[in-house]
Amino acid sequence: RKEVEQDPGPFNVPEGATVAFNCTYSNSASQSFFWYRQDCRKEPKLLMSVYSSGNEDGRFTAQLNRASQYISLLIRDSKLSDSATYLCVVSRDSGGGADGLTFGKGTHLIIQP
Amino acid sequence: NAGVTQTPKFQVLKTGQSMTLQCAQDMNHEYMSWYRQDPGMGLRLIHYSVGAGITDQGEVPNGYNVSRSTTEDFPLRLLSAAPSQTSVYFCASSPRWGNEKLFFGSGTQLSVL
Repeated sequence: RKEVEQDPGPFNVPEGATVAFNCTYSNSASQSFFWYRQDCRKEPKLLMSVYSSGNEDGRFTAQLNRASQYISLLIRDSKLSDSATYLCVVSRDSGGGADGLTFGKGTHLIIQP
Repeated sequence: NAGVTQTPKFQVLKTGQSMTLQCAQDMNHEYMSWYRQDPGMGLRLIHYSVGAGITDQGEVPNGYNVSRSTTEDFPLRLLSAAPSQTSVYFCASSPRWGNEKLFFGSGTQLSVL
């Protein structure tokens, strides 16, 4: 299994719908998990951290499943402005440190009017 | 507060030329890093620095040099550009090495002919 795997998409979703995508990781020692958003030809921006208990930020919900080694991102009531590539980021080990992050290739989401 | 500033935004080089990509941050962040992003691949770490005077190699350091003489600046030098270095380069920072939440610059699109 690759270190961090994401379905590249594109996911074409009508405005107002709910969409969810997963990211699987191979290292069971990974401790930190993040979702970043990257607009076309722009820099990645941190969307949210993913905590063991799951966390919610407005229309966005992130969850972690350690047993199956995946994280998920759910977007409710999707907006046109949610169109972007969503990057899954996982720490390589339990030691912590920003140099130990592995980036997924991203999932491309297109919200259609 | 400008955040992370990268220059130039675009650059075209001929094989064998050298150049420096500039990165500066005004957030007093200790940790700074350089990534490259290629089509179909996740961001890959080139070099990083945990503080002024300290640098270390990332996943793909060959062909690149860095230095960190001040907290604010972290330039990336291409010693002898090769077509394989055609990529989008992002500088990123975080408050300290143990804080894995990265702030990215807007990127430099580099083409080596």
